[in-house]
Amino acid sequence: QVQLVQSGSELKKPGASVKVSCRASGYTFTNYAIEWVRQAPGQGLEWMGWINTNTGNPTYAQGFTGRFVFSLDTSVSTAYLQVSSLKAEDTALYYCARGETYSGYWGQGTLVTVSS
Amino acid sequence: DIQMTQSPSTLSAFVGDRVTITCRASQSISSWLAWYQQKPGKVPKLLINKASSLESGVPSRFSGSGSGTEFTLTISSLQPDDFATYYCQQYNSYSGVTFGGGTKVEIK
Repeated sequence: QVQLVQSGSELKKPGASVKVSCRASGYTFTNYAIEWVRQAPGQGLEWMGWINTNTGNPTYAQGFTGRFVFSLDTSVSTAYLQVSSLKAEDTALYYCARGETYSGYWGQGTLVTVSS
Repeated sequence: DIQMTQSPSTLSAFVGDRVTITCRASQSISSWLAWYQQKPGKVPKLLINKASSLESGVPSRFSGSGSGTEFTLTISSLQPDDFATYYCQQYNSYSGVTFGGGTKVEIK
């Protein structure tokens, strides 16, 4: 069955970086894109963008350029989200999901907490 | 980017009520709209894609309609398991997928 398993919670200081992983199984990784969605505490869903798992080409939503980087390691069917220069407002649950639009397959979410 | 406006933001209803949530797009998105349900502490669950296509396993009391800029999600008879937050999502363009702000359905 299709599964997306994300890395565990992270506690980071402002200015640091974090890298979240999303390991896919149960399907051919390069047949579907991976997208990323952010949810701040008590807030709604924000689509961050997606990465083409064939070409590695990322597409970033407005508001998620510069400090946010999507990458892949297709040898282990894993997508990554790196966020640099972390700010308190980056505190959120970060989800990966299969596809580049709507998705029925989501990771369990990774909580990133930014606090001094 | 296309903006998605959901209304209401909160809805109080009784078990058995018919409930309708509206989602408006800032420009036409044809039928490129999905609906999700999210319960506290849980991952969003896809209910409907392409405005009205029910995902496998989703109860038939859920239905979606609309095209262009106005869409609705209807729950024909609200059940205890349906109390959750619902989000619409437009995917008209790969570069600009956006979610609505969410509608929380509460017990009255």
